[in-house]
Amino acid sequence: RKEVEQDPGPFNVPEGATVAFNCTYSNSASQSFFWYRQDCRKEPKLLMSVYSSGNEDGRFTAQLNRASQYISLLIRDSKLSDSATYLCVVNAPAGGSQGNLIFGKGTKLSVKP
Amino acid sequence: ETGVTQTPRHLVMGMTNKKSLKCEQHLGHNAMYWYKQSAKKPLELMFVYNFKEQTENNSVPSRFSPECPNSSHLFLHLHTLQPEDSALYLCASSEERTGFTDTQYFGPGTRLTVL
Repeated sequence: RKEVEQDPGPFNVPEGATVAFNCTYSNSASQSFFWYRQDCRKEPKLLMSVYSSGNEDGRFTAQLNRASQYISLLIRDSKLSDSATYLCVVNAPAGGSQGNLIFGKGTKLSVKP
Repeated sequence: ETGVTQTPRHLVMGMTNKKSLKCEQHLGHNAMYWYKQSAKKPLELMFVYNFKEQTENNSVPSRFSPECPNSSHLFLHLHTLQPEDSALYLCASSEERTGFTDTQYFGPGTRLTVL
């Protein structure tokens, strides 16, 4: 099983649509979870951290389900500028430390007019 | 944004060349990272430096040699590379604290082509 799995997409949605991305992770000891956004030919940038209680930032909502080792990202009222690849990121604890970050391959979103 | 800078942005080199990638972070962080991003693959961690000490070498071939002279600068020295080493090389930095995994901030990357 891959450490962080995401549906690669692409998700092609019209402006204003609501779209949801899912991600599963294999390490039950993981404690830190993030969604990053990567535009074409650019570096990844943090979109939001994911907290156990779930968190919302404007049109973006992230949820964590530890029992199922599952993370989700919901985007409401999609904008053209939301078109990008969304990377699910999880830490990999090892040897008593928090470990390094493991990146998923990303889910590509394309928002059309 | 100029938190993490990388030079050069693009590099084309032959298999017998020697070149170096440079990364500089202006965020006061204590950890720096090199990642490789190839087409259709997730980001692959290559090296981690924490307080200038290398804490991770993720089974990277010896033709890649990192150097971290201080907590703000990170280099990746390249020699006798192979065409399959062509990729986007990303540098990142973060503030590492015990028991806490902090956000990593990425530089714009160096797009490397090996002929």
